[in-house]
Amino acid sequence: KQEVTQIPAALSVPEGENLVLNCSFTDSAIYNLQWFRQDPGKGLTSLLLIQSSQREQTSGRLNASLDKSSGRSTLYIAASQPGDSATYLCAVSPPNFGNEKLTFGTGTRLTIIP
Amino acid sequence: EADIYQTPRYLVIGTGKKITLECSQTMGHDKMYWYQQDPGMELHLIHYSYGVNSTEKGDLSSESTVSRIRTEHFPLTLESARPSHTSQYLCASSVPQPGHLGETQYFGPGTRLLVL
Repeated sequence: KQEVTQIPAALSVPEGENLVLNCSFTDSAIYNLQWFRQDPGKGLTSLLLIQSSQREQTSGRLNASLDKSSGRSTLYIAASQPGDSATYLCAVSPPNFGNEKLTFGTGTRLTIIP
Repeated sequence: EADIYQTPRYLVIGTGKKITLECSQTMGHDKMYWYQQDPGMELHLIHYSYGVNSTEKGDLSSESTVSRIRTEHFPLTLESARPSHTSQYLCASSVPQPGHLGETQYFGPGTRLLVL
């Protein structure tokens, strides 16, 4: 059974710093990996999707990398801003299935200190 | 960008009551989902649908039921609420990305349910 782990559970960083969030998964047979952010009391917002054959995806100040063989992904946030404060979750899907088989991590709660 | 609406946003209700959590999306997505999320815990899929008249149970066993009579509407019903049903319920829909990269998932704002 696929397990997704995100460490640390919480992270505080001064504004302006670059930071890296980690995601690890136990079964490397994945179809894709997705990163989401969740603001308090709200649903999730999709940030980036990396297909298993890709190594990274970029969107603005966000860069997600994928090392499928080692079961790891990182989300790099450049020049952090207070508006980046949220919980960041990663999720993986197995081959031959859609998002009905997504396995989510428990997330990293990020606080950007002004 | 997809718009997904959930009502109510918050619900406090007594044990034994029947409740329906509403979820609607305006983008014509075929696939829709219901997740349950407790504070600090991962999301668990409880129901999903591939389209009209399709409903499937997710990985987490749930006493709730769903229906999909219209593409845009995917309500979740609890016939008799219990304190163990207290949780946050998130509705979502997804659309395939071009090039078979996967599906982009869109979430509603959630319903926080408290059963006394």
